[in-house]
Formats: sequence, structure tokens, C-alpha cells
Amino acid sequence: EVQLVESGGGLVQPGGSLRLSCAASGFTFSTYWMIWVRQAPGKGLEWVANIEKDGSEKYYVDSVKGRFTISRDNAKNSLYLQMNSLRAEDTAMYYCARESHHCSNGICYARGFYYFDYWGQGTLVTVSS
Amino acid sequence: EIVLTQSPGTLSLSPGERATLSCRASQSVSSSYLAWYQQKTGQAPRLLIYGASSRATGIPDRFSGSGSGTDFTLTISRLEPEDFAVYYCQQYGSSLTFGPGTKVEIK
Repeated sequence: EVQLVESGGGLVQPGGSLRLSCAASGFTFSTYWMIWVRQAPGKGLEWVANIEKDGSEKYYVDSVKGRFTISRDNAKNSLYLQMNSLRAEDTAMYYCARESHHCSNGICYARGFYYFDYWGQGTLVTVSS
Repeated sequence: EIVLTQSPGTLSLSPGERATLSCRASQSVSSSYLAWYQQKTGQAPRLLIYGASSRATGIPDRFSGSGSGTDFTLTISRLEPEDFAVYYCQQYGSSLTFGPGTKVEIK
């Protein structure tokens, strides 16, 4: 069974830092792109950052570039999001999710920037003084 | 960036009724790379549909997706009590964007 379990959220002051973690199990973690998606209270979903299978490619939404860093440790089946210089507008539930493989003619591969077939339950980040 | 617009914002229906949700893109979504998710209060989103019309594993056949180009539709043929939730569309043809969601509430 695929499981994604986030941790590391909490209350932090503006300008502070947090490191989120996502523990993955039930699938071969190293063969999938992974992503962080956030949802501000009462709002919709927003892609934050995603990372290629071996961590060689990383992409960010403009609003977090230079402040957030996505990383992964395939030996530990874990995904991370280091968040620095936090702002009130970063307050949200942060979900990690698995990007599905693209399958065509019986061949499947990870292509990135795809749809998300499994999600964790999220970890809440609150930025407030 | 492709902007997705969902309508209506809220849909008030009774169990057993048919729900039709719309997702419109600001430009054509290549290869019909559009997905639909369901999110219940306090829960993570759940994948329903990918590739505009393919149901994800375990999704009941009362959920169906259609459309291409810039206009896509999610249809729930007969609403069950557990279907009252918020539904998001997402395009993955050009980067990644989500629509603002449609809330399906009990009338």
C-alpha cells in the first residue's frame, strides 16, 4: 500500500525557518518524481516545488524561489522541503504527493509535471507573530 | 501560464441527481492532460480522473470525464452522500496549474 506521511509543520514567526519531511512507503520511491502542494486556509491548491527521481532537477513556483529548497534522500525514501524567510502568506497545509508515471503502449516512465496519484494527509504550517 | 476557471463555484444538488462540473482553460491543454480531484473537508485531495477521461484506480463508474482543448467536464451521474465535496481540475500539459474548485453541496 502506498503511503506518504508528512511531518515538521508548526507555528513559526515571520522570517523563520521550517523543514518539512515526507516519509514514503509501499512503492519504489527512487523511480518517481515527487511534489509539494500547499493549500492556504479556505483556499485552493497550489504547486510549490517538484523534484526529479534522483534529485537532479528541481522546480519551484515563483513565490518561493530563493526561499524554499526541495530535496530527497532515496536511501531513506524521504522527501524534504526546507522553508526559509517564511512569510504570513506561506501559511497553509503542505501536502507531499507522488507524480504518476506516464504510460504509453505498455511502457511507463516518470516524465515530471504530471498528475498526482497519491497524496499524504498534510502538515500545517502557520506563520505568525 | 495556463489559467483554469471552474464553474459553477457552488453546485447545490440532492442525492441521486446528476452533477455537471466545468473546467475551462485559458489556452488549449495539450494531449488532454487534465485531471480531476475530489477533496472532502479535512482530507487530502484524491485523484478521480486523468487524461481528461480515464478513471483512476478504484473510482466508481458514476464519475466520468470528458472534453478536450480548452473545455472539460466532470460528470457525476447519480450523486451519493459521500460525493458532496470540493472538486478541482488540474492541467499538466504546460507546467502545472489548478482550478479554483467547485463545491458540490447538499441542497
